[in-house]
Amino acid sequence: EDQVTQSPEALRLQEGESSSLNCSYTVSGLRGLFWYRQDPGKGPEFLFTLYSAGEEKEKERLKATLTKKESFLHITAPKPEDSATYLCAVQGGRAAGNKLTFGGGTRVLVKP
Amino acid sequence: GAVVSQHPSRVICKSGTSVKIECRSLDFQATTMFWYRQFPKQSLMLMATSNEGSKATYEQGVEKDKFLINHASLTLSTLTVTSAHPEDSSFYICSAIFRQLSYGYTFGSGTRLTVV
Repeated sequence: EDQVTQSPEALRLQEGESSSLNCSYTVSGLRGLFWYRQDPGKGPEFLFTLYSAGEEKEKERLKATLTKKESFLHITAPKPEDSATYLCAVQGGRAAGNKLTFGGGTRVLVKP
Repeated sequence: GAVVSQHPSRVICKSGTSVKIECRSLDFQATTMFWYRQFPKQSLMLMATSNEGSKATYEQGVEKDKFLINHASLTLSTLTVTSAHPEDSSFYICSAIFRQLSYGYTFGSGTRLTVV
């Protein structure tokens, strides 16, 4: 069974204080690892998809990296508008179909 | 990009009544729709997967007679919570995979259901 664990559960940052979020996964045959941002009362908003170890993707202050066991979401010089819950999800081997397995999320609060 | 429109965004219903939640894909044909449930400060729990024209596949522990899913067309999927009870109060979110896009999951904006 695919498993995803995110840490920390919550993160409080000062504006400009860079940090990293961790997503550890166990999956048989990774077909894709996804990062989403979710604001309170809203659906998840797509950020990145990573497919293979060593891959990196960037978008503004966010950078996602992938190894064979975990993924990191680096937030560089965050701003208050980066406050949100960040969700990691994996799509496993073909036996799992197309469904995603989500981690518990990391709630990020950036204070001005 | 692809858009999934989910309605209503909020609904309050009386215990024992049924509630229908709709998800529409606006620009592309959704071959597969997923329905999730999310409790406060928790992650998304997959309830069921529906493919156009076929019966939904429910996750273990999800009552198929209580949570009716219909995916009758490539642009519309519905979740009906039947005989709702207060413990069904939650945030429900749909997600779609599109025929025209090579990959990617697009989420609806969610529905906050409160059963009183």
